[in-house]
Amino acid sequence: GAGVSQSPRYKVAKRGQDVALRCDPISGHVSLFWYQQALGQGPEFLTYFQNEAQLDKSGLPSDRFFAERPEGSVSTLKIQRTQQEDSAVYLCASSSRGQGTGELFFGEGSRLTVL
Amino acid sequence: DQQVKQNSPSLSVQEGRISILNCDYTNSMFDYFLWYKKYPAEGPTFLISISSIKDKNEDGRFTVFLNKSAKHLSLHIVPSQPGDSAVYFCAARSNTGFQKLVFGTGTRLLVSP
Repeated sequence: GAGVSQSPRYKVAKRGQDVALRCDPISGHVSLFWYQQALGQGPEFLTYFQNEAQLDKSGLPSDRFFAERPEGSVSTLKIQRTQQEDSAVYLCASSSRGQGTGELFFGEGSRLTVL
Repeated sequence: DQQVKQNSPSLSVQEGRISILNCDYTNSMFDYFLWYKKYPAEGPTFLISISSIKDKNEDGRFTVFLNKSAKHLSLHIVPSQPGDSAVYFCAARSNTGFQKLVFGTGTRLLVSP
């Protein structure tokens, strides 16, 4: 497709389960971001990739959160031992330019609900 | 610490009138500001931006004003249309290192016919 694709769109997990969220950015886009959007809040930065290199992971809330982009295209955000406070929409965004410049294109998000 | 603030969670206007959405920021390193629009169950989409070297940028019905001394920006939509009903996020980024966006909490705009 032409846009940023995320899957699954909706995920319900029991507390303690591991989840994996996938992002397929626009083809050729160099920069890839993950954001977390809690209910009633704006998106908050989690991590940034330039190609396959994870240049910043300062926004990851704990070591239960892990992201990868091994071939510089598709990215996976993994959350281990999910907690209720992890419930949020996880947004992926990509940009054609390095250093995160240029227009960001967002996917529709993956809504995670932890019971 | 909320570096980008949108103090009005919601705004209602009538079709044809002007909508004014406000945003304040605290980080003086921010040099580029953006507005994103978000419909339910969709990702945010870019609307309009402004560099800190300017004080106004216009694109059709949308105009963004920047007051650097007050660390304040606003988005004007005129005339407002029912299809403009959405959540609007203000975002900012600095020129230090790579350019991650810092978002406000959003303002829900409802334009009634």
